[in-house]
Amino acid sequence: AQRVTQPEKLLSVFKGAPVELKCNYSYSGSPELFWYVQYSRQRLQLLLRHISRESIKGFTADLNKGETSFHLKKPFAQEEDSAMYYCALSVQGAQKLVFGQGTRLTINP
Amino acid sequence: DGGITQSPKYLFRKEGQNVTLSCEQNLNHDAMYWYRQDPGQGLRLIYYSQIVNDFQKGDIAEGYSVSREKKESFPLTVTSAQKNPTAFYLCASSISGSGGGYTFGSGTRLTVV
Repeated sequence: AQRVTQPEKLLSVFKGAPVELKCNYSYSGSPELFWYVQYSRQRLQLLLRHISRESIKGFTADLNKGETSFHLKKPFAQEEDSAMYYCALSVQGAQKLVFGQGTRLTINP
Repeated sequence: DGGITQSPKYLFRKEGQNVTLSCEQNLNHDAMYWYRQDPGQGLRLIYYSQIVNDFQKGDIAEGYSVSREKKESFPLTVTSAQKNPTAFYLCASSISGSGGGYTFGSGTRLTVV
């Protein structure tokens, strides 16, 4: 069965420090992974997808098939990065997303 | 203003009653989804639909029902059989086969009183 695990429910770092939000997955097929973000009083929105290999708002994420991970990283955290972050796996064929439990990131001034 | 609209924003239900949550989109998306969001449990898939007049159960479909009579609409009914219905419900839509680029609604918070 497919599963996404985000081991940290809460993560707190200081402004300017590096940030890494962990995501591990379990899936027998070829994975497509995503990060979604929910800022306070805003809708859940797509942050980035691994196939795009893009950097959005300074965040990057690399798919590591050997470690079955898709960690989200940013070298210098900003206060506006405080939000709830969800890692998600696309299940091929079924065309649905499986989400992790989420990590609440707080950036302290 | 294109997007996905959920209504109402807040809903109160007495035990033993059915209640229907609305989800409408004008994005011309084929696929629509209902998720339940609980603290510490992330988003769990209730039902999803890839095309009109067809839908599939997600991971926690028991106590819920849906219909997809129109492309734009995917209402969710929370029945009295749902044992723990108090939660935040999110609707989403996507272009079929887009591989995970979902557009989400603003959610409905359901409280059983």
